[in-house]
Formats: sequence, structure tokens, C-alpha cells
Amino acid sequence: EAQVTQNPRYLITVTGKKLTVTCSQNMNHEYMSWYRQDPGLGLRQIYYSMNVEVTDKGDVPEGYKVSRKEKRNFPLILESPSPNQTSLYFCASSLGARGLETQYFGPGTRLLVL
Amino acid sequence: AQSVTQPDIHITVSEGASLELRCNYSYGATPYLFWYVQSPGQGLQLLLKYFSGDTLVQGIKGFEAEFKRSQSSFNLRKPSVHWSDAAEYFCAVAQDSNYQLIWGAGTKLIIKP
Repeated sequence: EAQVTQNPRYLITVTGKKLTVTCSQNMNHEYMSWYRQDPGLGLRQIYYSMNVEVTDKGDVPEGYKVSRKEKRNFPLILESPSPNQTSLYFCASSLGARGLETQYFGPGTRLLVL
Repeated sequence: AQSVTQPDIHITVSEGASLELRCNYSYGATPYLFWYVQSPGQGLQLLLKYFSGDTLVQGIKGFEAEFKRSQSSFNLRKPSVHWSDAAEYFCAVAQDSNYQLIWGAGTKLIIKP
């Protein structure tokens, strides 16, 4: 089944404790992206990647890191999480190397930083 | 800067009634417009998109949207809603500079039995 998977789905952590949210897609998509969703703000893009070893900042990259060492994986790293990073995070992928292609979303990771 | 506005945070519609969700945008030369739906506890799914051509776009699940350049709008419609349409709906526009999407804040659709 074609899908985007994220792990974990739920995470509670404390301020400053490094964490990684994994994202994997099995559709051989070139483009992958991370978003955060906050009430009343819609989705805001954190980082995106047009291909392996190519990443770019989105609208809200501060406090986040990403890497794209393999085509299928695009982990999101929070080196020192803070409470303002409490949010719902989505990973997405698309076939083409631009955001215009249909994006396929993972189920989301709900993060609470205490 | 480009932006997307969804004026309605919540909309309540009776099952079987028609639906229109509003989306207004600011854009550069060519608007690339999208509607996505987020069902409870799930990721987003593309309903439809507009790049050019016929201004009335058909999507999945019986939805359609009409691009109106004069009004800077891309409203989503459905003639008869079903309880399964209860979800949050997001309008998005692609930026001219890098084609990354700018998202509206979303409209939550509530269906009354």
C-alpha cells in the first residue's frame, strides 16, 4: 500500500531533550516536506526537500533540523525542544520536485513539550 | 506576500443540504490553487486543484470549486453533504517564487443529522 508513515504518533517530552520524528514514504517520491499545524494558523511549512541531499527552509524552520540521506526517509530533528514547539506535525511527499504536485500526507505526530 | 484567507472557522450544515466553503487569496502572476480535506485523526488528502483552463474544477467525493479571478476567490462547493464529509477543509495557494504552498487556517465542517 502506498503510504507515508510517521513515528511516533504521539510524544510527550521535556524541554531540552533531543528528539527525532521519523518519516518514510514507499512511493519513490522526490519531494518531501514537514509541516506543523496549530489551531487558527493552518499548516506552516518547516522544511522541504526536493531530492536526496537537497533541503530548504520553509516558513518556520527555527528550532528544527532535517536530513535527506535516502530518498524514502526525511526525519525531523528537534535538538532542544521548547514548549512553543508543542504542535501537530505532518510529513508529506509528492512525485514531482515542486510543491505543485499532489502531496500525500502522513497521519501526523502530536508532540507535547513540557 | 501571497496569502490565503478562509473567513469561516466553523460551518454547520444539515445532512443533505448544499455546502459552500469560502477561500480568498492574494496571488502573483498565475494562481495555483488547492483544496485539501483533513478527516478527524488523519492526514490531509487532496480534493482538487486549479492551475489553468476551465474555471470550474471537479474533484473527488463530489466536490467542485470555482475560480473567480475578479473576486480572488476559489470557493469549494458540494450540492448535498453526507455525514462523512464532516472534516476540516484547507485552501492553499502555491507561491510564485518557489511553488511551496501557503495554507489557509482551515474551515471545520460540522454536519447536523
